[in-house]
Amino acid sequence: AQKVTQAQTEISVVEKEDVTLDCVYETRDTTYYLFWYKQPPSGELVFLIRRNSFDEQNEISGRYSWNFQKSTSSFNFTITASQVVDSAVYFCALSKHRGSTLGRLYFGRGTQLTVWP
Amino acid sequence: DTEVTQTPKHLVMGMTNKKSLKCEQHMGHRAMYWYKQKAKKPPELMFVYSYEKLSINESVPSRFSPECPNSSLLNLHLHALQPEDSALYLCASSQDPLAGDYNEQFFGPGTRLTVL
Repeated sequence: AQKVTQAQTEISVVEKEDVTLDCVYETRDTTYYLFWYKQPPSGELVFLIRRNSFDEQNEISGRYSWNFQKSTSSFNFTITASQVVDSAVYFCALSKHRGSTLGRLYFGRGTQLTVWP
Repeated sequence: DTEVTQTPKHLVMGMTNKKSLKCEQHMGHRAMYWYKQKAKKPPELMFVYSYEKLSINESVPSRFSPECPNSSLLNLHLHALQPEDSALYLCASSQDPLAGDYNEQFFGPGTRLTVL
């Protein structure tokens, strides 16, 4: 069974603070994919990153960085110097590499991030 | 062009109405998805089309009827809905789920549906 846990329901920070969103996953598969999506108040889910299970390199994209650790089944997301525009719900998700449920995303329940000016 | 479009943006319908939601992508993607999202919840998968064939139906009630006329279009026909069906309906597409390497899903802006 696939499961994604985002223990933080809501986080509030003040602009320019760094913030880390936690994601812990469960799967019996050896090959899988992990994703982060951002959902601003407008509603559209915006794809941020995909990580393959065999690639444990951390990634940085501007103010965003991701820390993937298979040993702890975690895929955490850090925003450096947060801005008001980062306010959104962030979803972590997992998908299988192969099988009948290929194409299904297993979402965490999301973390609402609010950045105050 | 990494855009998925959905129409209409908002829809209000009565329980006896028949309406349709439309989704379009021009990225050459061969998989398309319908999701339902209630407030403060993650999206729930409803249907997956792969190469224009329905490959996943998550036990969705028959009052929701999907249709994939071609590889760029996805419709969701609605009939005799209930007030609890009010939600944000999201469409997504991905490149090719059968290719081995899984590809990320790109989502449209959604249709906010209210059933009175």
